[in-house]
Amino acid sequence: EAGVAQSPRYKIIEKRQSVAFWCNPISGHATLYWYQQILGQGPKLLIQFQNNGVVDDSQLPKDRFSAERLKGVDSTLKIQPAKLEDSAVYLCASSLGLRETGELFFGEGSRLTVL
Amino acid sequence: DAKTTQPTSMDCAEGRAANLPCNHSTISGNEYVYWYRQIHSQGPQYIIHGLKNNETNEMASLIITEDRKSSTLILPHATLRDTAVYYCIVRVNRGSTLGRLYFGRGTQLTVWP
Repeated sequence: EAGVAQSPRYKIIEKRQSVAFWCNPISGHATLYWYQQILGQGPKLLIQFQNNGVVDDSQLPKDRFSAERLKGVDSTLKIQPAKLEDSAVYLCASSLGLRETGELFFGEGSRLTVL
Repeated sequence: DAKTTQPTSMDCAEGRAANLPCNHSTISGNEYVYWYRQIHSQGPQYIIHGLKNNETNEMASLIITEDRKSSTLILPHATLRDTAVYYCIVRVNRGSTLGRLYFGRGTQLTVWP
């Protein structure tokens, strides 16, 4: 089966510019996650969707980050305006459902460099 | 937020068993232990998970202590392709943070020829 698709793989922007990342989860997966991974650290959850509703966005910096999952399928994560500390890999993951104890499937990530 | 403690790095000879320890002394009764690994420049990959009992699949074995405060991931015959960062994770199974995975810094496993 096709995996989690993310784009773009790489993005370089200057601070105060905006950027958007796209994620298409595995077909049929109700739960979608966005993680931020700063170099040398483990991934940190930013936001979690169940279908098109937000389940947990407690760690999302809402003054500059936003995410949506219209129609409960693919999702977009936006940063506006970007700061230097936003340089990281943004990982999208999906799973069958919140109450499933199975695995999360991760995409390859989108690497953001803010200059 | 990470609820686990792992050694920063380990190494292992190719063909030998790799035993990766993890402490999760504050784990709650219905929280699962998951292991993921991340090969350089790729997204994390699921390995195995368990609640109380030991588990085995085609990739690895998971040994959880009786008090559930620690676990060990065993790669029975490590290969060079197993070189990666291995994350031991506690998964919340209830409440407003249902499904959240708490990643720590993981263990960098290096398998040498």
